[in-house]
Amino acid sequence: NAGVMQNPRHLVRRRGQEARLRCSPMKGHSHVYWYRQLPEEGLKFMVYLQKENIIDESGMPKERFSAEFPKEGPSILRIQQVVRGDSAAYFCASILGSGSETQYFGPGTRLLVL
Amino acid sequence: GENVEQHPSTLSVQEGDSAVIKCTYSDSASNYFPWYKQELGKGPQLIIDIRSNVGEKKDQRIAVTLNKTAKHFSLHITETQPEDSAVYFCAASKGSGYSTLTFGKGTMLLVSP
Repeated sequence: NAGVMQNPRHLVRRRGQEARLRCSPMKGHSHVYWYRQLPEEGLKFMVYLQKENIIDESGMPKERFSAEFPKEGPSILRIQQVVRGDSAAYFCASILGSGSETQYFGPGTRLLVL
Repeated sequence: GENVEQHPSTLSVQEGDSAVIKCTYSDSASNYFPWYKQELGKGPQLIIDIRSNVGEKKDQRIAVTLNKTAKHFSLHITETQPEDSAVYFCAASKGSGYSTLTFGKGTMLLVSP
């Protein structure tokens, strides 16, 4: 059973460009979380989604950031007009369903904004 | 909201020694406490978790204890090995449903041969 997959693993963008990060949950999992990790910091919650529905986006900046989890395909975290402060590791985690607690993390996407 | 404090930020031990990492949380409604191990360049991997209806849980060389009254939980690693070297994160959540994790800032554990 494949684990959580994220791509790309590394992404370099210049200021003002767009970044698209993709996350495929574990097989059978229908909910994903996105977290951001700054250097030498813990993970900070950004957004919680189930297929075709955003459940909680309280940790996501109101501007430039958006997330989706379509009926088919991976969840996508989109950052428009990136700035240097967006440089971080972005992790997604999946759970089986809303009654589950255990989150399984992917390997992350390391975004570097030049 | 929930706040999780983790100590120490770095911990160096000799191979074979024990290591203890401590966390406190602020929200008494939290009832699920996982511990994750993160190796360089990788995602966090769950190593053990505990729910608020138990006070202690063991899995081979790893144990976690929970004191709900003090809002305190700890990770204990016995007979440490060099491959235990990594960053360890504690986290807390309100459990099933909207189980968003609040993480501590991490402890870098270095086990010297």
